[in-house]
Amino acid sequence: LAKTTQPISMDSYEGQEVNITCSHNNIATNDYITWYQQFPSQGPRFIIQGYKTKVTNEVASLFIPADRKSSTLSLPRVSLSDTAVYYCLVGAGSYNTDKLIFGTGTRLQVFP
Amino acid sequence: SQTIHQWPATLVQPVGSPLSLECTVEGTSNPNLYWYRQAAGRGLQLLFYSVGIGQISSEVPQNLSASRPQDRQFILSSKKLLLSDSGFYLCAWSGVDRGRTGELFFGEGSRLTVL
Repeated sequence: LAKTTQPISMDSYEGQEVNITCSHNNIATNDYITWYQQFPSQGPRFIIQGYKTKVTNEVASLFIPADRKSSTLSLPRVSLSDTAVYYCLVGAGSYNTDKLIFGTGTRLQVFP
Repeated sequence: SQTIHQWPATLVQPVGSPLSLECTVEGTSNPNLYWYRQAAGRGLQLLFYSVGIGQISSEVPQNLSASRPQDRQFILSSKKLLLSDSGFYLCAWSGVDRGRTGELFFGEGSRLTVL
């Protein structure tokens, strides 16, 4: 399983762009990279998923370099409501996945 | 649409007492099921996962156990709780009928306090 490493915490201000990088040096060929957001006393919820290059949806972008040993979640123009813990998850190598292990996550604090 | 429910939402138990948390998924078949635990201020720890009825893999072989008596039912149990079992327990599912591979969907969580 690919182990992930993220910064423990990050601070930002409203309206700024936030980039959170995750390292996953031993990612497998079939692994996808998925990012989740978690608020206190709630389960994590899906933000974005990618395999390579760049993926963009209505809330975030995900940048994955060619070697896939890292990935960067980009949150444009954050607001106070983006204060949460963000997890990078690498896995899902098989169509019917089994073990999915989260890393330590990055606690993002957005200030007014 | 698919939904996941777990209960109870909150419970306070004395040390040494038993535990049973239940999770059910609706609207899908043959999901992969997971139990995670989150201690206060900490990350998500995978406890058990299951790829089918009666198939349980343990990541944390302590005083907890899990069972999957039906396709969409996942139960977390303990015969004797420890103080260290306190935490926020999350059930999740992922399935082959999702557009994205490996996407996890979580229940509402069960907060356990062991005194």
